[in-house]
Amino acid sequence: AQTVTQSQPEMSVQEAETVTLSCTYDTSENNYYLFWYKQPPSRQMILVIRQEAYKQQNATENRFSVNFQKAAKSFSLKISDSQLGDTAMYFCAFMKPPEYGNKLVFGAGTILRVKS
Amino acid sequence: GAVVSQHPSWVICKSGTSVKIECRSLDFQATTMFWYRQFPKQSLMLMATSNEGSKATYEQGVEKDKFLINHASLTLSTLTVTSAHPEDSSFYICSATRTGAGGELFFGEGSRLTVL
Repeated sequence: AQTVTQSQPEMSVQEAETVTLSCTYDTSENNYYLFWYKQPPSRQMILVIRQEAYKQQNATENRFSVNFQKAAKSFSLKISDSQLGDTAMYFCAFMKPPEYGNKLVFGAGTILRVKS
Repeated sequence: GAVVSQHPSWVICKSGTSVKIECRSLDFQATTMFWYRQFPKQSLMLMATSNEGSKATYEQGVEKDKFLINHASLTLSTLTVTSAHPEDSSFYICSATRTGAGGELFFGEGSRLTVL
């Protein structure tokens, strides 16, 4: 079974600075998807970024980028120029390819607080 | 973008009553929907996979007679908490898959259930 580990329960960062959230996973699959989701105080789950395992290039979405190390099974999220609106709980998640049913396996989450 | 809506967003009920939560995909057909439960500051726990026109698949430890799931159409799945008790109080979230979305799941806003 796949597992996702987020080792940082809580983190804080000053506004405009950079922060990196860690995520490791365990799988025997070669092809899969990895995601970072954000859950702000409203509790709406928002997709931050997605990475397909067969793509070597790290995904980037504006201020958000990942460091995907397939061999190490590591998938960290870097948030640059942190903003107050980035305050949220962040979940790393793993999914086998869609033909296996689209089930997401979530990590425990990291609470990120951006301070002014 | 794909929109998933949940209703009600919050509900308070008396112990022993049943409560129904709806999950609708507003602008796409969802053959598969997922139901999660989330406790404060914790991760999302998958309860069951809801497939249109067939019985739901429940995760280990989830009581299928307590949490009834129906997916009668391609745009609607319902979760009924039967004979609710205070320990059923939680935040319930649904998500849906869309063909061609590359594994991305679209989440509802969540429903907060409080059982008195």
